[in-house]
Amino acid sequence: KNEVEQSPQNLTAQEGEFITINCSYSVGISALHWLQQHPGGGIVSLFMLSSGKKKHGRLIATINIQEKHSSLHITASHPRDSAVYICAVRGAGNQFYFGTGTSLTVIP
Amino acid sequence: DGGITQSPKYLFRKEGQNVTLSCEQNLNHDAMYWYRQDPGQGLRLIYYSQIVNDFQKGDIAEGYSVSREKKESFPLTVTSAQKNPTAFYLCACTGVDSGANVLTFGAGSRLTVL
Repeated sequence: KNEVEQSPQNLTAQEGEFITINCSYSVGISALHWLQQHPGGGIVSLFMLSSGKKKHGRLIATINIQEKHSSLHITASHPRDSAVYICAVRGAGNQFYFGTGTSLTVIP
Repeated sequence: DGGITQSPKYLFRKEGQNVTLSCEQNLNHDAMYWYRQDPGQGLRLIYYSQIVNDFQKGDIAEGYSVSREKKESFPLTVTSAQKNPTAFYLCACTGVDSGANVLTFGAGSRLTVL
């Protein structure tokens, strides 16, 4: 059983579309991270959330602690947004649990 | 700029050889982690260390070893006992920056067994 579930696994969008990636988790957490991984491997942290909503440019992340659910939204998607997006939660003792990732392809 | 440096980026190993992957951070973070990433799977924890001279096994520690002699360094050795070592290895660290807990990854090391 995975502590973190993401959906969808794969997503293809036309440039300009609004995109939503969902993350549900089953453990108690102190924070949730949205990560981005481009081909070639390095992972970058996009957001760290413990409540509410954060916005950075065209990216918006929300979290509902009661429902154990988070969403990552991309407005006006662009081909450079093509990447794997990974949801990670920080549990007790600085342990992290990771989703399997959502592979996003944005077509021009 | 602070960050994590992993080396080498690509590594080829013959069966039966041990190899060591380097992970160095200059963020002054206490906790460091090694993860393995295989296609279609989430990151799996190999080892982690919360403090110098202390480390704990993760979910898939068999065939791997680590040391934490300095705060900034957490090398991973892939031993010949690891049956399927071909994978992408990521080092990470976490700590407080400007009052917020941050999680930082290195660029990764891709190991291929020939």
